[in-house]
Amino acid sequence: DTGVSQDPRHKITKRGQNVTFRCDPISEHNRLYWYRQTLGQGPEFLTYFQNEAQLEKSRLLSDRFSAERPKGSFSTLEIQRTEQGDSAMYLCASRQGGSGANVLTFGAGSRLTVL
Amino acid sequence: RKEVEQDPGPFNVPEGATVAFNCTYSNSASQSFFWYRQDCRKEPKLLMSVYSSGNEDGRFTAQLNRASQYISLLIRDSKLSDSATYLCVVKRADYKLSFGAGTTVTVRA
Repeated sequence: DTGVSQDPRHKITKRGQNVTFRCDPISEHNRLYWYRQTLGQGPEFLTYFQNEAQLEKSRLLSDRFSAERPKGSFSTLEIQRTEQGDSAMYLCASRQGGSGANVLTFGAGSRLTVL
Repeated sequence: RKEVEQDPGPFNVPEGATVAFNCTYSNSASQSFFWYRQDCRKEPKLLMSVYSSGNEDGRFTAQLNRASQYISLLIRDSKLSDSATYLCVVKRADYKLSFGAGTTVTVRA
């Protein structure tokens, strides 16, 4: 499978627990994005990596959220002390660099339910 | 004001009908525009890019009006398989792509 992979696909956790999601982008894509999507809304930008550098973090990304892309390949998104409001689909997307490469390819998402 | 706004619908249309809907964007510096399709509980997938002169891809026609800052999508001869949520996407001069909340289309037999 040469697409964007996300793991786990579903996570149910109790409030206050920590969760971590992993994203493996398409191998030749150096740009990686995390988005969050709740029911009835479009994806909301969370953060963006160019290679291993995290270039922007949305104000949606509180200090309980941290994302890394240590070697410029896979990325992790960790949520500490989860709250019920964190329940959402967390989508990872990647694209090639360069001004002509605008198309995002999304993974299937990691659905988080916080009880 | 949201950066990208869409009529949420739903648009309920019979097979074979034509359906059209718009999206407006607030940032006049936006440079690239797209329509993505999202099926229920699935990830968004690119439907088509939107070019300044307008463009077609089979039964789908996209238009861009920079002066009024809106984008449209028209679906001709609707199929049952066209039932989905259509997301309007706008890219600024930098890397950030902003999504609308989506327009839901349901095509009935």
